[in-house]
Amino acid sequence: SQTIHQWPATLVQPVGSPLSLECTVEGTSNPNLYWYRQAAGRGLQLLFYSVGIGQISSEVPQNLSASRPQDRQFILSSKKLLLSDSGFYLCAWSAGTASSNYGYTFGSGTRLTVV
Amino acid sequence: GNSVTQMEGPVTLSEEAFLTINCTYTATGYPSLFWYVQYPGEGLQLLLKATKADDKGSNKGFEATYRKETTSFHLEKGSVQVSDSAVYFCALRAGSYQLTFGKGTKLSVIP
Repeated sequence: SQTIHQWPATLVQPVGSPLSLECTVEGTSNPNLYWYRQAAGRGLQLLFYSVGIGQISSEVPQNLSASRPQDRQFILSSKKLLLSDSGFYLCAWSAGTASSNYGYTFGSGTRLTVV
Repeated sequence: GNSVTQMEGPVTLSEEAFLTINCTYTATGYPSLFWYVQYPGEGLQLLLKATKADDKGSNKGFEATYRKETTSFHLEKGSVQVSDSAVYFCALRAGSYQLTFGKGTKLSVIP
């Protein structure tokens, strides 16, 4: 069966420090991968998605970047964190093509607090 | 473009009450529709889905019917429990790699 791992679960970082959040998927190949942020409140903001190794689509210009160095690995990074980067970061994967009916499977999330 | 509108709540119900969370959508093509649930401090879990008109998705006592004529996918449960307290998200996927989410509805069930 497929599983998705996301770490760390919680992170407290000072303003101006770098960030690296990692997400890996097991039990499938060539997944579509996604990074979402959920700020205080409930809404979900799509940050990046990837349909293949080295392919990254950015939805919102900001202080963050994403990379996909391996088929089932998705990394969210920042060179210098801002206070506004605080939030709950969720990784997700889905199977299939753009026309498929698959939903997403989410990781357990990373709670990032920038201080 | 695609969009999802759901009642924002918060919704507070007594245990064993009937639950309805409204969700309507606009989409190009023929979307698949989903309900996700997020328990406090956790990621989102798929609750149920429907992939074509008149399909009914169901899970854990929750149901939602894909109504193409009213472009709706309302979530219902006949008798809620305290453990159902969570945030519920309606979402659609239509000819894209992306899921389009509603803003979420927070449900609190009190004993």
